[in-house]
Amino acid sequence: IQMTQSPSSLSASVGDRVTITCRASQSISSYLNWYQQKPGQAPKLLIFAASSLQIGVPSRFSGSGSGTDFTLTISSLQPEDFATFYCQQTYNTRTFGQGTKVEIK
Amino acid sequence: EVHLVESGGGLVQPGGSLRLSCVASGFTFSSYEMNWVRQAPGEGLEWVSYISDSGFSISYADSVKGRFTVSRDNAKSSLSLQMSSLRAEDTGVYYCATAGAWGEYKYWGQGTLVTVSS
Repeated sequence: IQMTQSPSSLSASVGDRVTITCRASQSISSYLNWYQQKPGQAPKLLIFAASSLQIGVPSRFSGSGSGTDFTLTISSLQPEDFATFYCQQTYNTRTFGQGTKVEIK
Repeated sequence: EVHLVESGGGLVQPGGSLRLSCVASGFTFSSYEMNWVRQAPGEGLEWVSYISDSGFSISYADSVKGRFTVSRDNAKSSLSLQMSSLRAEDTGVYYCATAGAWGEYKYWGQGTLVTVSS
């Protein structure tokens, strides 16, 4: 199963609403997870099962979608949110998207 | 507190072998699927392999199939990745990670760097 994220990168300002999309090459039900990775660190789980917020993750992060099309939304971008975000399907083996780098405008 | 500590990385020549280990603590290791994920320098995440909680179900990415072997010792709360016929494109940081009910990776190790170069 191929996972395609868009955009590959984006520039945004603090306070902006940011949306990242992830498309699967076939239906994966809700077996879609989102991670945030900062330079030199291991990835951090944000969202699992497409829309479930991991404990301890701020509520400005949300996920939606099912089947083949999914979205990660950051409602109000904070300085600590600048990072690379990855989607991952776990419906059939596992596959990551190529990543979306969120940079400061 | 959950801890995953990888070790075994280093510099190896193309065609060589290396064995990575991941020691777990702070949770019931035998109850969780475990995974290996790697990241080439400056690149994205790539899933490498998973092994079920019992060890009976195993899967590999096509890029490593036939060259890598994953195993676990539940009595020692440890996970291993035996890598052989290594190639330059196997270079990167290798992470072990636990998998939850939806396959999500809640806990990650700090990673161990593998460099394949002559």
